[in-house]
Amino acid sequence: SAVISQKPSRDICQRGTSLTIQCQVDSQVTMMFWYRQQPGQSLTLIATANQGSEATYESGFVIDKFPISRPNLTFSTLTVSNMSPEDSSIYLCSVQRLTDTQYFGPGTRLTVL
Amino acid sequence: AQKITQTQPGMFVQEKEAVTLDCTYDTSDPSYGLFWYKQPSSGEMIFLIYQGSYDQQNATEGRYSLNFQKARKSANLVISASQLGDSAMYFCAMRPNTGGFKTIFGAGTRLFVKA
Repeated sequence: SAVISQKPSRDICQRGTSLTIQCQVDSQVTMMFWYRQQPGQSLTLIATANQGSEATYESGFVIDKFPISRPNLTFSTLTVSNMSPEDSSIYLCSVQRLTDTQYFGPGTRLTVL
Repeated sequence: AQKITQTQPGMFVQEKEAVTLDCTYDTSDPSYGLFWYKQPSSGEMIFLIYQGSYDQQNATEGRYSLNFQKARKSANLVISASQLGDSAMYFCAMRPNTGGFKTIFGAGTRLFVKA
């Protein structure tokens, strides 16, 4: 398994501002993912965070809105830019070693006013 | 196209009884993994159980077992001896072992355990 921490655990932000969420893993992992879970919904993959290169974004998500960094094999950040109330969600970091099980961080609960 | 279907938006079960949460999937990949996760109100996603597509035996983890019927493409979760702490959202997920190894999730089933 993997121990994953996320900061902040929750935040309340004003419309038009940006928030950066950090994800730290206790060991090196090949794949890191960022998910969004809107209220009452399932998980939606935002992007795969690649070490040393640009993230790979899913349809409907763009780098300008959700810039991602992955400076090494244990750390990644997701920024939610120019926020609107529609961005209010739980944002989850997850990690996976190739065909191993995918494990999740505790999530960041974001409310945008 | 790959898809996970959970047809039960909500389920009720009496404490100490067993409950089955349904999951069907669709994939053309010959090798894949099936997972169940629990999400309590705190929001964290807790891994419960894994079944590989080539596994002959159904997976079990404590009170959780996965009823895997490959021909029917179903992977139902069985929780035995339900406890109040089992009240949560449960997500079925599938990941192909080829390509980008990306996991897809079902819509979830909310389980309510009654005292």
